[in-house]
Amino acid sequence: ETGVTQTPRHLVMGMTNKKSLKCEQHLGHNAMYWYKQSAKKPLELMFVYSLEERVENNSVPSRFSPECPNSSHLFLHLHTLQPEDSALYLCASSQEAPGTSGSVAETQYFGPGTRLLVL
Amino acid sequence: DAKTTQPTSMDCAEGRAANLPCNHSTISGNEYVYWYRQIHSQGPQYIIHGLKNNETNEMASLIITEDRKSSTLILPHATLRDTAVYYCIVRVETGNQFYFGTGTSLTVIP
Repeated sequence: ETGVTQTPRHLVMGMTNKKSLKCEQHLGHNAMYWYKQSAKKPLELMFVYSLEERVENNSVPSRFSPECPNSSHLFLHLHTLQPEDSALYLCASSQEAPGTSGSVAETQYFGPGTRLLVL
Repeated sequence: DAKTTQPTSMDCAEGRAANLPCNHSTISGNEYVYWYRQIHSQGPQYIIHGLKNNETNEMASLIITEDRKSSTLILPHATLRDTAVYYCIVRVETGNQFYFGTGTSLTVIP
């Protein structure tokens, strides 16, 4: 138990559906992240939020829309997804977002992930 | 840009020490080295981190060379549950992110 929870754990959706992934951290951290992990590929960072502001967006298609209403919650809204978007979606949090300090406060703690299948 | 290189895979006998190497020759002076592992289909799990000195916790030991260009993660008594992909990570120079790379797939053999 890392203190980061994700719901749902599994999701099957059609290409025309709209769904949302939820992440909640109970660690009092200021930064939250969404990662995508496709089969046999490295983790890909999608978004970074620091103090509820987006500080990183790695050229993610607009069919993925993040939302950070407060420092404890992070959502990923999904619509008009493609089959190639099927993957494990991971949320993480850290005390601070990675920056120039190289600080140990950048240690990230991950949730269990949401396994998404797009049909 | 991964900034780290690791062997693709390793085997280790159960009960023996597993030594996982990592090269990070371009690491900056104030950057920490982090190790995570990922058991199949689960979220990555933080193991240990270090800056200059060797570190030890309940999970593992981290040995960092004096020039900081490489490090070794040591699992002192590997068990079958240690079978996982192990990632050695430093922060990417540009942008606010870590790059996990492909890691080392460790298989602990009975």
